Amino acid sequence: QQQVKQSPQSLIVQKGGISIINCAYENTAFDYFPWYQQFPGKGPALLIAIRPDVSEKKEGRFTISFNKSAKQFSLHIMDSQPGDSATYFCAASGGTYKYIFGTGTRLKVLA
Amino acid sequence: EAGVAQSPRYKIIEKRQSVAFWCNPISGHATLYWYQQILGQGPKLLIQFQNNGVVDDSQLPKDRFSAERLKGVDSTLKIQPAKLEDSAVYLCASSLVLAGQETQYFGPGTRLLVL
Repeated sequence: QQQVKQSPQSLIVQKGGISIINCAYENTAFDYFPWYQQFPGKGPALLIAIRPDVSEKKEGRFTISFNKSAKQFSLHIMDSQPGDSATYFCAASGGTYKYIFGTGTRLKVLA
Repeated sequence: EAGVAQSPRYKIIEKRQSVAFWCNPISGHATLYWYQQILGQGPKLLIQFQNNGVVDDSQLPKDRFSAERLKGVDSTLKIQPAKLEDSAVYLCASSLVLAGQETQYFGPGTRLLVL
């Protein structure tokens, strides 16, 4: 029940295309869903986050879509750029901000 | 604003040796986390501090791992004795809650290799 399942494991997208990464959770007590971006040799950095009271949140080229009934949420990267090539992690937390991370998606954007 | 500082950045030890990692969080951040990130996996929470008290250490292997956060600021994570499976990146993070939204800031991590 504490798992967050993330897919795909890896993704290759052409420059200008849309990258979509999906996550699913079981624990209905989760109430905060952030996405992190991690470059090699660096710690993860918060990209965008959502709470279950909204179905979508957009910040620049990054959008989170949230489906509470299906217990799923996804990250969409519009107009993907080579600089977006990184590993992306979804996460979920509730209450005391204890975070459960997904397994990560390695994104490569081809120039 | 200075970020989360960690040292050392890299450490190579032999199994059964001990090792310690240090973290200096962002000034004013009450919550501090230690994560273990094994290659190809997401970070796994080891311990969460609120000021100098432990909020969650349910996934900390207490027979070999210990952590402390003296005076609610810096923190150290120790492994004694190390095992081969402890090879990983150890990430420290600190966080701030503003207007109901928490933002977690990660340090660059310490890469540990146990031979």
